[in-house]
Amino acid sequence: KQEVTQIPAALSVPEGENLVLNCSFTDSAIYNLQWFRQDPGKGLTSLLLIQSSQREQTSGRLNASLDKSSGRSTLYIAASQPGDSATYLCAVRPNQAGTALIFGKGTTLSVSS
Amino acid sequence: EAQVTQNPRYLITVTGKKLTVTCSQNMNHEYMSWYRQDPGLGLRQIYYSMNVEVTDKGDVPEGYKVSRKEKRNFPLILESPSPNQTSLYFCASRRVGAGELFFGEGSRLTVL
Repeated sequence: KQEVTQIPAALSVPEGENLVLNCSFTDSAIYNLQWFRQDPGKGLTSLLLIQSSQREQTSGRLNASLDKSSGRSTLYIAASQPGDSATYLCAVRPNQAGTALIFGKGTTLSVSS
Repeated sequence: EAQVTQNPRYLITVTGKKLTVTCSQNMNHEYMSWYRQDPGLGLRQIYYSMNVEVTDKGDVPEGYKVSRKEKRNFPLILESPSPNQTSLYFCASRRVGAGELFFGEGSRLTVL
């Protein structure tokens, strides 16, 4: 059974720091992997989607990498800002059909000014 | 603006009183899905639909019903809500295939 783990569970950094959030999954047979951001009491905002054939995706200050063989993905945030404070969730899609995304428990990031 | 819209956003109800949470998307997505989010348990899929008139159970379907009569709408029905259905509910949609999943803002439901 696929399991997704995110470490650390919480992270506090000063503004301007570059940081890496980690996501690991137990079964390398994934269709794609998606990173989301969730603000308290709010919905999930899609940040980046990486297909199984891709190694990385970039959007602005965000860069996500995927290493299927080792079951790992990282989300790199450059020059962090207080507005980046949120919970970041990693989710894997096991196959092409309608099966659920399997989510990690998330990393709660706090960026202080 | 491309979006997934849920209503109501907040609801307090009592045990046994039927309720419907509506979900509508304007992106012409074939696939729609409902999740619930609970502390310590994360996000779990309730039901999904691959297209109009095609629905299937997710991981936690007990106590819920859905219908997909139109492509844009995917309502979640609680016929007889119970306190263990108190949760934060999310509707989501995507293209069939490799598309990313887009979520609504969430509906916080409390069943007393």
